[in-house]
Amino acid sequence: AQSVTQLGSHVSVSEGALVLLRCNYSSSVPPYLFWYVQYPNQGLQLLLKYTSAATLVKGINGFEAEFKKSETSFHLTKPSAHMSDAAEYFCAVSRDDKIIFGKGTRLHILP
Amino acid sequence: DAGVTQSPTHLIKTRGQQVTLRCSPISGHKSVSWYQQVLGQGPQFIFQYYEKEERGRGNFPDRFSARQFPNYSSELNVNALLLGDSALYLCASSLEPALVYEQYFGPGTRLTVT
Repeated sequence: AQSVTQLGSHVSVSEGALVLLRCNYSSSVPPYLFWYVQYPNQGLQLLLKYTSAATLVKGINGFEAEFKKSETSFHLTKPSAHMSDAAEYFCAVSRDDKIIFGKGTRLHILP
Repeated sequence: DAGVTQSPTHLIKTRGQQVTLRCSPISGHKSVSWYQQVLGQGPQFIFQYYEKEERGRGNFPDRFSARQFPNYSSELNVNALLLGDSALYLCASSLEPALVYEQYFGPGTRLTVT
């Protein structure tokens, strides 16, 4: 069964530092993979998605993720964190025409 | 173009009551999916409808039901509400179920059960 595991329920980084949020997937076939962001008391916003085209996927707000089949990983990165990046981030995988979400990682930005 | 819309934005219900949540998909989208997001967790799949037929159901009790109308809008009904039903309910739409990578989410309805 396809699923995702997000490593770290909370991650803190200093403003201007590298953001790295980790996600590993389990899938028997190349999956569709997603990263979503959720700001407090809001819905989900799609950051980026992998659909078996380029392995390095660029998203909105300066985020990108790299699909590594050998490591079954789809980690999210941003070179320089901004205070406005503080939010909950969800990694997700598609299965049977629906999306399976990870448990989320809350990103804290330290001034 | 308007995105996925959901109503109401918030509502408060008492245990044992029934609730109906509404979703309007993006124009032209025929597939609607419902997700439940309990505080501190990722969203969980409840239902998928396509062309007014149920195409998939998650691991939720029979108290949860849904339907899709000829204009492709959808309603989610929850009977005999429990405290644990308090959550953000998200609706998502796509042109068809297989195009899950082009699924768009609405802002959600926050349900509080007291």
